[in-house]
Amino acid sequence: QQQVKQSPQSLIVQKGGIPIINCAYENTAFDYFPWYQQFPGKGPALLIAIRPDVSEKKEGRFTISFNKSAKQFSLHIMDSQPGDSATYFCAASIEETSGSRLTFGEGTQLTVNP
Amino acid sequence: DVKVTQSSRYLVKRTGEKVFLECVQDMDHENMFWYRQDPGLGLRLIYFSYDVKMKEKGDIPEGYSVSREKKERFSLILESASTNQTSMYLCASSSDRTQVLNTEAFFGQGTRLTVV
Repeated sequence: QQQVKQSPQSLIVQKGGIPIINCAYENTAFDYFPWYQQFPGKGPALLIAIRPDVSEKKEGRFTISFNKSAKQFSLHIMDSQPGDSATYFCAASIEETSGSRLTFGEGTQLTVNP
Repeated sequence: DVKVTQSSRYLVKRTGEKVFLECVQDMDHENMFWYRQDPGLGLRLIYFSYDVKMKEKGDIPEGYSVSREKKERFSLILESASTNQTSMYLCASSSDRTQVLNTEAFFGQGTRLTVV
């Protein structure tokens, strides 16, 4: 059972466009929501993260919007560039007695055309 | 610079073989994880470890086991490899769970395993 569902599976935009990737979660106990970026041949790397006590977080051209009541969060990339072409994963974690662990979405392959 | 190193980038094994995937981190992290990555399924947690000699099952532990004899090293073992275990395997580490605000996971570059 996928606890974090991500869409779309793939996305193609033109340079300067604003791709939006959406995620929905089921477990209301999740308390940390990161996004990871993965380039071909590399492991994923943390891009930006948010906690449920805020509705938006912005770092450079990347923004997370968080809707706690809808149990949804999304990644927006402003003024997208060809160098942003990568696979993006949303994730969620919960602080358990034995420690925290990340649950990932299915991933979105983003292509930004020049 | 933080580093998680996986011993092999590419591996080809035969059905029924015992396979060892090795992961080493140099950040003195307490937590280590093994994921497999498949198209359309994202990253799925196989096993994780919060301390030396400790292990916890993830979401898809069947057919796998792990070993953590030293803090910096976490091994994934496929007891009898099968074709449905052909996948990209990713190791990750993170700092102590008591550091609540810092749960960033650092990933290795992956091992692409093909079982024939």
